[in-house]
Amino acid sequence: KNEVEQSPQNLTAQEGEFITINCSYSVGISALHWLQQHPGGGIVSLFMLSSGKKKHGRLIATINIQEKHSSLHITASHPRDSAVYICAAIQGAQKLVFGQGTRLTINP
Amino acid sequence: DTGVSQNPRHKITKRGQNVTFRCDPISEHNRLYWYRQTLGQGPEFLTYFQNEAQLEKSRLLSDRFSAERPKGSFSTLEIQRTEQGDSAMYLCASSLRGHGYTFGSGTRLTVV
Repeated sequence: KNEVEQSPQNLTAQEGEFITINCSYSVGISALHWLQQHPGGGIVSLFMLSSGKKKHGRLIATINIQEKHSSLHITASHPRDSAVYICAAIQGAQKLVFGQGTRLTINP
Repeated sequence: DTGVSQNPRHKITKRGQNVTFRCDPISEHNRLYWYRQTLGQGPEFLTYFQNEAQLEKSRLLSDRFSAERPKGSFSTLEIQRTEQGDSAMYLCASSLRGHGYTFGSGTRLTVV
């Protein structure tokens, strides 16, 4: 069993739909990253959070430390949101342990 | 500062050859990390530096792999006697304690 598990692995939705990607982890962490990876490999950090909720534009990330669970939500999804979304737990000296990623496809 | 820079972006090499990748982190970031990502998987930790000191190495980093950060600025990752299983995206990231990561665009290695 991976230390960081994401679901679903693949998600296809229509433009405008509300999207939720889930992340559960079994290790002790100091914080958790949500990352976005587009084809070609570049990774962009969306959020780093250690408690509660953060919002940036149409993206919302929540974390429940007691339940070891985090979610990434996208409101009013758009085709340009199509990418792989990865959650990564920060352990120790900021070493990241990654989930396997969720491939999101938003159709027009 | 333009972020974390990795060179080359792509490398195709024959099995058995040596390859070296370079990462230039954000200048004020004292921590630098190397990760490896194979197709369809999330990245896996390889090694990390705090300034010039290599503080942790994954068991994934066999004897054929070596990383350096000689002056606490840029870092190199060398793979000797490459094997087809080394084909992957090699990602570099840097951070400053208490702050988030910044990733480079990666170096995609193909061993033929």
